[in-house]
Amino acid sequence: EVQLVESGGGLTQRGGSLILSCAASGFTVSNSFMTWVRQAPGKGLEYVSVIYSGGISYYADSVKGRFTISRDNSNNTLFLQMNNLRAEDTAVYYCARLISRDYLESWGQGALVTVSS
Amino acid sequence: SALTQPASVSGSPGQSITISCTGSTSDIGGYDFVSWYQQHPGKAPKLMIYDVHKRPSGVSDRFSGSKSGNTASLTISGLQAEDEADYHCSSYTKTSPLGVFGTGTKVTVL
Repeated sequence: EVQLVESGGGLTQRGGSLILSCAASGFTVSNSFMTWVRQAPGKGLEYVSVIYSGGISYYADSVKGRFTISRDNSNNTLFLQMNNLRAEDTAVYYCARLISRDYLESWGQGALVTVSS
Repeated sequence: SALTQPASVSGSPGQSITISCTGSTSDIGGYDFVSWYQQHPGKAPKLMIYDVHKRPSGVSDRFSGSKSGNTASLTISGLQAEDEADYHCSSYTKTSPLGVFGTGTKVTVL
């Protein structure tokens, strides 16, 4: 059974940093396309970043240069390093397994990130 | 930019409702890579439809998807109380290596 478990959310001040982790089971992260999707309070879903199985990564313009997606193959875990956080980054962050740039097959439970100004 | 969905749709138990999702030739109109997600309050989204009309194992056949031109649609037949949730569409887009989501629709069962 595929399972994704996120951790690392919390409260930080503007300009601060946080790292989110997403521990995967039931499949191999390094062989998959993985994404981070966020949802601001009362808002819709927004793609934040994607990392392909080959290691290439992409970012939304709103986080480019501030966020870094990475993975630890030995621990089958996905990460999102978030630096220089802004109030508008406040959201629930979900990791998800992306199938062929097509659809998000499995989702984590979400991690709340709150940035105070 | 985000795909356009109606903010809300409602229906009575047993009725059918349809949620639209409008994009452009760069996304919905150009590719059959449309997916739909159900999200109950405080929960993670759940995949309901992929590749316009395909259902993952375990998803009720009361949920169906279709597409015409630049607009995709999700139909829920035999509406039930448990269907009350937010629904989000998504599509592959040639303008970004990331996908694009819709604005989201709240479904209310009267």
